[in-house]
Amino acid sequence: DTAVSQTPKYLVTQMGNDKSIKCEQNLGHDTMYWYKQDSKKFLKIMFSYNNKELIINETVPNRFSPKSPDKAHLNLHINSLELGDSAVYFCASSQAGLAANTGELFFGEGSRLTVL
Amino acid sequence: AQSVTQPDIHITVSEGASLELRCNYSYGATPYLFWYVQSPGQGLQLLLKYFSGDTLVQGIKGFEAEFKRSQSSFNLRKPSVHWSDAAEYFCAVGSHSGNTPLVFGKGTRLSVIA
Repeated sequence: DTAVSQTPKYLVTQMGNDKSIKCEQNLGHDTMYWYKQDSKKFLKIMFSYNNKELIINETVPNRFSPKSPDKAHLNLHINSLELGDSAVYFCASSQAGLAANTGELFFGEGSRLTVL
Repeated sequence: AQSVTQPDIHITVSEGASLELRCNYSYGATPYLFWYVQSPGQGLQLLLKYFSGDTLVQGIKGFEAEFKRSQSSFNLRKPSVHWSDAAEYFCAVGSHSGNTPLVFGKGTRLSVIA
């Protein structure tokens, strides 16, 4: 069983389109995250949800909208895609009861988005 | 705010040789420190972590790291590298305050040659 799973693994789309990436974790964690990894492998936090509530929202364009229907799912919807959105997007989760920053992060395998 | 520096972008070592990957952090108090490994096309996997106590921590796959407060460092070591260790390695720091996400270094790519 995959602990943190993301779909799709690869996504190629045109500029201006809207796309979604889904994430599910079966670890029973309360906190989930989206990280963006650019072409230079730099990992940057985008969002964090704790028990379906947004707790971290870094400086991300409002074209990016996370949605957490329940604590096991955190989906990422991106409107009006731009070339600069091309990256690998990682979903992660961490243990309930700890501050979001102290717990071990469990990562999905990533979703590689290519905007043409 | 905390920050992490990994001075080496790319390191190449021979199989069987020892390895040390450098990590320096900036944080006003005792940090929580992590090393993650990312194999090609994969997500990140935790190698080891330091929260408190013994400053030498052991991790998976034969890795260890030592927290040195005086040098603000948390270097990763392995006595004998295997070809399967070739990957990207990330150091990360967390703070004690709530709702602050892990901050990652820019990574060090490890290549292993025969």
